Amino acid sequence: DGGITQSPKYLFRKEGQNVTLSCEQNLNHDAMYWYRQDPGQGLRLIYYSQIVNDFQKGDIAEGYSVSREKKESFPLTVTSAQKNPTAFYLCASSAVSGNTIYFGEGSWLTVV
Amino acid sequence: GDSVTQMEGPVTLSEEAFLTINCTYTATGYPSLFWYVQYPGEGLQLLLKATKADDKGSNKGFEATYRKETTSFHLEKGSVQVSDSAVYFCAPPEGAVSGSARQLTFGSGTQLTVLP
Repeated sequence: DGGITQSPKYLFRKEGQNVTLSCEQNLNHDAMYWYRQDPGQGLRLIYYSQIVNDFQKGDIAEGYSVSREKKESFPLTVTSAQKNPTAFYLCASSAVSGNTIYFGEGSWLTVV
Repeated sequence: GDSVTQMEGPVTLSEEAFLTINCTYTATGYPSLFWYVQYPGEGLQLLLKATKADDKGSNKGFEATYRKETTSFHLEKGSVQVSDSAVYFCAPPEGAVSGSARQLTFGSGTQLTVLP
């Protein structure tokens, strides 16, 4: 079945450490996105990528980095520069010619 | 730019009650409209969509009709169940960004709690 796989589902990080969240899709989608969701809040866009080897900052890119070396993969690194990293992170993808966005199941990151 | 305005929550209903969550949009033309649902601890799922004016999207007993005269896409269900407790997001029309990708932004959604 096609879909988006995020891993890990739960992750604990010590302050000062970088951590990378994985996102893989087998939907053959060109566009991929990373969102952050805080309790009781909406989604905020961190980064998005329209095509391999290209990505753009979203609304809250500071403290995060991404790469898009392969069409199916869009990993997100939460760096030590991110002041409040504890949140729920959602990866998504969409076809350039389509208009529906598909989401992964999310990753819970907790900084301890 | 294109945008939506969604009814704020939280909404608490008893089982078998009628549900309406309001959503109105501002857009150029008649773009596709979407409702997403997020169950506790999970990612978002597409609930239903309508691709043109007067279309009715439906899924799992939920319906929404794309009404161009009122620029609305209200979500309705005739008889809610406890399992419908979730956060519902009315997604905006396709955002205009450079290139051809969409950059969708979501509001905080409407929290629905259904009591037995």
